[in-house]
Amino acid sequence: GQQLNQSPQSMFIQEGEDVSMNCTSSSIFNTWLWYKQDPGEGPVLLIALYKAGELTSNGRLTAQFGITRKDSFLNISASIPSDVGIYFCAGPHTGGFKTIFGAGTRLFVKA
Amino acid sequence: NAGVTQTPKFRVLKTGQSMTLLCAQDMNHEYMYWYRQDPGMGLRLIHYSVGEGTTAKGEVPDGYNVSRLKKQNFLLGLESAAPSQTSVYFCASSPLGQIYGYTFGSGTRLTVV
Repeated sequence: GQQLNQSPQSMFIQEGEDVSMNCTSSSIFNTWLWYKQDPGEGPVLLIALYKAGELTSNGRLTAQFGITRKDSFLNISASIPSDVGIYFCAGPHTGGFKTIFGAGTRLFVKA
Repeated sequence: NAGVTQTPKFRVLKTGQSMTLLCAQDMNHEYMYWYRQDPGMGLRLIHYSVGEGTTAKGEVPDGYNVSRLKKQNFLLGLESAAPSQTSVYFCASSPLGQIYGYTFGSGTRLTVV
């Protein structure tokens, strides 16, 4: 079945550093979604991507839909302490009603 | 708007007890979902519904039942709780077409002792 592999699993960075994470699959996805989960809360949608090659920004966050449609990337510039959390990639399951989620990248930011 | 509201936020159950987790959404979304989140396991789909009166099994449905009698509500039941069901449970909803993403509730933290 369709699966999403996120890397890295966790990241420890200094405040002000830039962050990059990615999500890959052996299957093609037509939509890529990126969520952030703050500690003790539910995931919140950050960015949605709908077209191969698309680059979309949301403040300091930028996500890209890979050309092969089998991967996506999320970058965070000039990280701040409130960027701490788990970042999930996700994509609607082809031909179904479900969305596939990656296992998440856990981000720690040291002030 | 409240979005997706889950009750209760915390609960401790004894093995063998039953309970119902409530999820309500006020966005007129067609699709609703129940996930569980365990350390290192990500989000795993338990059951979902594509409309009022419909339900379907997800990846990990055993030990759970669901009902969607009204469009805005999706209930998750545990008939006989087991320690393996200790987890954080999230409800989510989406409009027709999942490409717009889900709105999640803030979760229910359940401990079974």
